Amino acid sequence: DTEVTQTPKHLVMGMTNKKSLKCEQHMGHRAMYWYKQKAKKPPELMFVYSYEKLSINESVPSRFSPECPNSSLLNLHLHALQPEDSALYLCASSLGAGVYEQYFGPGTRLTVT
Amino acid sequence: AQKITQTQPGMFVQEKEAVTLDCTYDTSDPSYGLFWYKQPSSGEMIFLIYQGSYDQQNATEGRYSLNFQKARKSANLVISASQLGDSAMYFCAMREVYTGTASKLTFGTGTRLQVTL
Repeated sequence: DTEVTQTPKHLVMGMTNKKSLKCEQHMGHRAMYWYKQKAKKPPELMFVYSYEKLSINESVPSRFSPECPNSSLLNLHLHALQPEDSALYLCASSLGAGVYEQYFGPGTRLTVT
Repeated sequence: AQKITQTQPGMFVQEKEAVTLDCTYDTSDPSYGLFWYKQPSSGEMIFLIYQGSYDQQNATEGRYSLNFQKARKSANLVISASQLGDSAMYFCAMREVYTGTASKLTFGTGTRLQVTL
């Protein structure tokens, strides 16, 4: 089973709202990732967690706050977002943080109004 | 800094024909991995095939094969016997070791493949 699940599928939020995106995998993977993808562009890495510790933060604004409560779960907390943050947010996981293939979830399509 | 280049923004192929999607890369790291992903309009990124920098043979997975030419720094994806369901965006990606405990995946700009009857 190579399934990564993400909820919600779609999210519309105002600039003053606080919301969270959730990602889950049960493949025993120890690395998890958040990517942001704008329309007609490739995904851009935001954060990497390895063994539940934040390993990479690609200079993401603090209005995005990741959390990895356990090895199966990854959250992205959103607060005071801007309209330009509207995008597809993809979660991925891999066996480790080395050169392993990443398996992606279906994404959350976020619209900030 | 690593770089991935996909020079074909869009490609057309007839059903049952083979098609090659180009990818070149640039890295100074001797250890890296090359990946191809498919992204249908639904948005999910689907892993297709992987080639390690030290692999001696080209990777194959069903109808997908990777034409790896290390000296030319190219990693082209070949899809044989195209099907209508192959219509999607295809991304080439490369991973390099970023820190001792993490590595980073960088994507090319993608090639949109349309399979026609």
